[in-house]
Amino acid sequence: TQLLEQSPQFLSIQEGENLTVYCNSSSVFSSLQWYRQEPGEGPVLLVTVVTGGEVKKLKRLTFQFGDARKDSSLHITAAQPGDTGLYLCAGSGGSEKLVFGKGTKLTVNP
Amino acid sequence: SAVISQKPSRDICQRGTSLTIQCQVDSQVTMMFWYRQQPGQSLTLIATANQGSEATYESGFVIDKFPISRPNLTFSTLTVSNMSPEDSSIYLCSAGQAGNIQYFGAGTRLSVL
Repeated sequence: TQLLEQSPQFLSIQEGENLTVYCNSSSVFSSLQWYRQEPGEGPVLLVTVVTGGEVKKLKRLTFQFGDARKDSSLHITAAQPGDTGLYLCAGSGGSEKLVFGKGTKLTVNP
Repeated sequence: SAVISQKPSRDICQRGTSLTIQCQVDSQVTMMFWYRQQPGQSLTLIATANQGSEATYESGFVIDKFPISRPNLTFSTLTVSNMSPEDSSIYLCSAGQAGNIQYFGAGTRLSVL
């Protein structure tokens, strides 16, 4: 069974600070996705990474896929209150099912 | 991308009753999935809704409790049967597209009294 360990589970920071969320596994994933979910809504896809070592940027968000495709990180620079939400990593082992991490609940205080 | 419409958005139900949740996709998709989520926590896959055949259930979930229909490539329903307070949760459907990307509905918030 593939598992994704996501950390930290909770993160409360001040506006303007930087943060990193980690997603680790002992299994290799063919692709890994990051979602953000706000209260009352479903998860919204932020990015998909498929190549080992790949780095993708989305404004202040930087996503990295590990060289061995077993881990990923999400780095947010100069966090803003609008970044508040639940961040979920999800991996695909080749089938169309996704394995989700436990999520990181981020609160950015003004 | 795909737009997923899910209804009802929320409901309060009495124990012992059943609720059917509908999920409509704005385009034809091969894969549709049903998840359960406790507020602020991660998603647990209930089943994969297969068009033209029985749904594929994950460990801990059974067809008698969560019957699923998938009559075509744009629509699916999940029924939560004989509900108890432990079934109170958020139920989400998603549509799978190329590259294992999934698009989610806004969810159904179910409270069972």
